[in-house]
Amino acid sequence: DGGITQSPKYLFRKEGQNVTLSCEQNLNHDAMYWYRQDPGQGLRLIYYSQIVNDFQKGDIAEGYSVSREKKESFPLTVTSAQKNPTAFYLCASSPGGAYGYTFGSGTRLTVV
Amino acid sequence: KQEVTQIPAALSVPEGENLVLNCSFTDSAIYNLQWFRQDPGKGLTSLLLIQSSQREQTSGRLNASLDKSSGRSTLYIAASQPGDSATYLCAVSGDQAGTALIFGKGTTLSVSS
Repeated sequence: DGGITQSPKYLFRKEGQNVTLSCEQNLNHDAMYWYRQDPGQGLRLIYYSQIVNDFQKGDIAEGYSVSREKKESFPLTVTSAQKNPTAFYLCASSPGGAYGYTFGSGTRLTVV
Repeated sequence: KQEVTQIPAALSVPEGENLVLNCSFTDSAIYNLQWFRQDPGKGLTSLLLIQSSQREQTSGRLNASLDKSSGRSTLYIAASQPGDSATYLCAVSGDQAGTALIFGKGTTLSVSS
């Protein structure tokens, strides 16, 4: 079945560590997105990529980095510069055009 | 900058009621509008997609309408069931293909049996 796979489901990070969240899609979608969800805040855009080897910052990109070396993959690194990384992270993809967006099942990151 | 607002923030109804969730957006230059459902701790499940040239979409007991000129969309749920309990999110995309979705904060629905 086609879809988006996010891993791991739960992730724990120590202070000062970088961690990488995985997002893989087999939908052949051109565009991919990363969102952060906090209670009461709704979903906020971190980064997005409309094509391989290109990506743009969203509203809250500080402390995060991404790469898009393959169409299928859009990993997100949460760096030590992100002061409050505890949140639920969602990855999405879209084929572009007047089509809908598909979301993964999310990764919950907790700082310990 | 586009802003999306959902009213009410929370809603509790008895089973069997018909209900309406509201979504408004400030910039009418959207490419499409999408309604999602989110269960606690889970990802988003797409319910309905309305392209900018469309007025409404239906799927089973769900009907979503779009009025671009007034910046409004409604999600109508007929004959609500306890299994409908979830958070419902409205999102709009920019006026170009591939632009990111902008979300409202959602309406949390509780349907009691």
